[in-house]
Amino acid sequence: GEDVEQSLFLSVREGDSSVINCTYTDSSSTYLYWYKQEPGAGLQLLTYIFSNMDMKQDQRLTVLLNKKDKHLSLRIADTQTGDSAIYFCAPEANNLFFGTGTRLTVIP
Amino acid sequence: GAVVSQHPSWVICKSGTSVKIECRSLDFQATTMFWYRQFPKQSLMLMATSNEGSKATYEQGVEKDKFLINHASLTLSTLTVTSAHPEDSSFYICSVRTPFGQYFGPGTRLTVL
Repeated sequence: GEDVEQSLFLSVREGDSSVINCTYTDSSSTYLYWYKQEPGAGLQLLTYIFSNMDMKQDQRLTVLLNKKDKHLSLRIADTQTGDSAIYFCAPEANNLFFGTGTRLTVIP
Repeated sequence: GAVVSQHPSWVICKSGTSVKIECRSLDFQATTMFWYRQFPKQSLMLMATSNEGSKATYEQGVEKDKFLINHASLTLSTLTVTSAHPEDSSFYICSVRTPFGQYFGPGTRLTVL
């Protein structure tokens, strides 16, 4: 299987940018996803990047992929209190593999 | 994206009973659905891959006789936890794979007393 690692916690002030980092081990991952999970809820697909891309921007979200280093990041611009949640990166190599997720806390 | 629903959203049952959880793909015909479980403050663990019209594929360490999966149609997969015990208490989430990504249901919280 694939090992996926993320920092457990991140705190930012409202209006600042958040950067959530992820490292993975399987270089054959084709799609790499970011999901958001609010308390007691399922996972919401935020965005994804294809492995032959190095950047993707979608409104406030920017995904950066360094395939050589197997490093993926999610940048949230102008972070809002509603962005407080757990964020999972999930590389897809046959199946999706999840790390422990990063709990983002936005301080008003 | 695909809309995925689960029923029930939460269930409490007595030890030794069986519980059925339904996962429906509302706007996409899914030949493949996945079942995950999530313990508090932990990541998702893939339990099994549900294949329409054939047997499910279980991950290592997941008891297929305890977690019965039926994928009878392109829009419905069910997970039955048989003879549930307190250690089966968890958050169970299904997902649907589409050409546009993998979409998750809202989850079912199972509490076994």
